[in-house]
Amino acid sequence: SAVISQKPSRDICQRGTSLTIQCQVDSQVTMMFWYRQQPGQSLTLIATANQGSEATYESGFVIDKFPISRPNLTFSTLTVSNMSPEDSSIYLCSGKRGGTEAFFGQGTRLTVV
Amino acid sequence: DAKTTQPPSMDCAEGRAANLPCNHSTISGNEYVYWYRQIHSQGPQYIIHGLKNNETNEMASLIITEDRKSSTLILPHATLRDTAVYYCIVRPYLSNFGNEKLTFGTGTRLTIIP
Repeated sequence: SAVISQKPSRDICQRGTSLTIQCQVDSQVTMMFWYRQQPGQSLTLIATANQGSEATYESGFVIDKFPISRPNLTFSTLTVSNMSPEDSSIYLCSGKRGGTEAFFGQGTRLTVV
Repeated sequence: DAKTTQPPSMDCAEGRAANLPCNHSTISGNEYVYWYRQIHSQGPQYIIHGLKNNETNEMASLIITEDRKSSTLILPHATLRDTAVYYCIVRPYLSNFGNEKLTFGTGTRLTIIP
């Protein structure tokens, strides 16, 4: 099965700054997704990363706060902008190819101080 | 997507079968039942999925009731490494992009006891 690598694996950031998380898949995937997992909670979908076009955001998430890029079929980035302590979460990248099930990266653990 | 209901936590003795229930009473005809698990500090891992027939793979078995309103994931010989949060998810399988996303509920925290 395909492997997703996320960078960084963890970070501690100052409030008001931004962090860009990278997601690299070792083979081409049709779809890529970004999820957030707040402490002790389940996963919530942020957006679907679309290649060559704007991401599709779920209710409650906006592009200005979580800009996403997907320049090709193996790579995507998620930026968490103007961070506050409430953004402290694990951010997970997921990929899917046709005929296979979705697979996930190990996540990026973000702490905002 | 149909909503699922799972017990928040369960314990199982090592070496015994772990049976994790899931209710999905509003499931529609084109929705499959998926199971994922999340071991601590890792991303979710796909386990199995099914429509109406029972399914088995190298990880687990999935038993779906005839009316499809509930299902049970069975780990036949649980080990300590099976300690994780298990998520039951229903969603359409024949997708038109936009139905590919997974909606996670709160899951069941399964603890395997030595």
